[in-house]
Amino acid sequence: QVQLVQSGAEVKKPGSSVKVSCEASGGSFSNYAISWVRQAPGQGLEWMGGIIPMFGTPHYAQKFQGRLTISADESTSTAYMDLSSLRSEDTAVYFCARGTIVGPTHYWFSDVWGRGTLVTVSS
Amino acid sequence: EILMTQSPATLSVSPGERATLSCRASQLITNNLAWYQQKPGQTPRLLIYGASTRATGIPARFSGSGSGTEFTLTISSLQSEDFAVYYCQQYINWPYTFGRGTKLEIK
Repeated sequence: QVQLVQSGAEVKKPGSSVKVSCEASGGSFSNYAISWVRQAPGQGLEWMGGIIPMFGTPHYAQKFQGRLTISADESTSTAYMDLSSLRSEDTAVYFCARGTIVGPTHYWFSDVWGRGTLVTVSS
Repeated sequence: EILMTQSPATLSVSPGERATLSCRASQLITNNLAWYQQKPGQTPRLLIYGASTRATGIPARFSGSGSGTEFTLTISSLQSEDFAVYYCQQYINWPYTFGRGTKLEIK
């Protein structure tokens, strides 16, 4: 059974960047979609972007264009989320989540989730 | 971007009763709709995909229906462990947007 293991909590200053990792263990990685979803305190889920490692091209929500970089390293089964120009509103738990494959089709709903990484942006 | 609207924001139901949660998409999404359950301090749990297919291990009291733009999650005979927040997500076009959630609370 695949598990997604995320890096630890971070505290960052406004204007800085944060990079969160997500390592897949116990299952396939390269051919599954990996989404990054964040949840601000007391708020709902927000899809930020994602990547299918074997294809390599990330997709981003318009809101994060220019600030967000998603990448994946197939050799280590690890996906990364890099968010720059941090502001207090970016304080949130950041989840990575794995999509599903049915036959030849990749789906972006997620049945496996990492435990989340708390990123706190504070001066 | 497809906007997902969930209603109601909060639903109060007694244990043993039925709960009906709604999700509306701003554009046609055929059946590319998933439902998740999230309890405080936990990660989201996939309940339903393809609008009506239960994920592995999900009890039969959870059912999904709908197609196009209107969707429903029904929980028959609510158990104590079902009180949580429920989110819908469309996955036909990126960004794969979520609704803002429905909090299901004990009446």
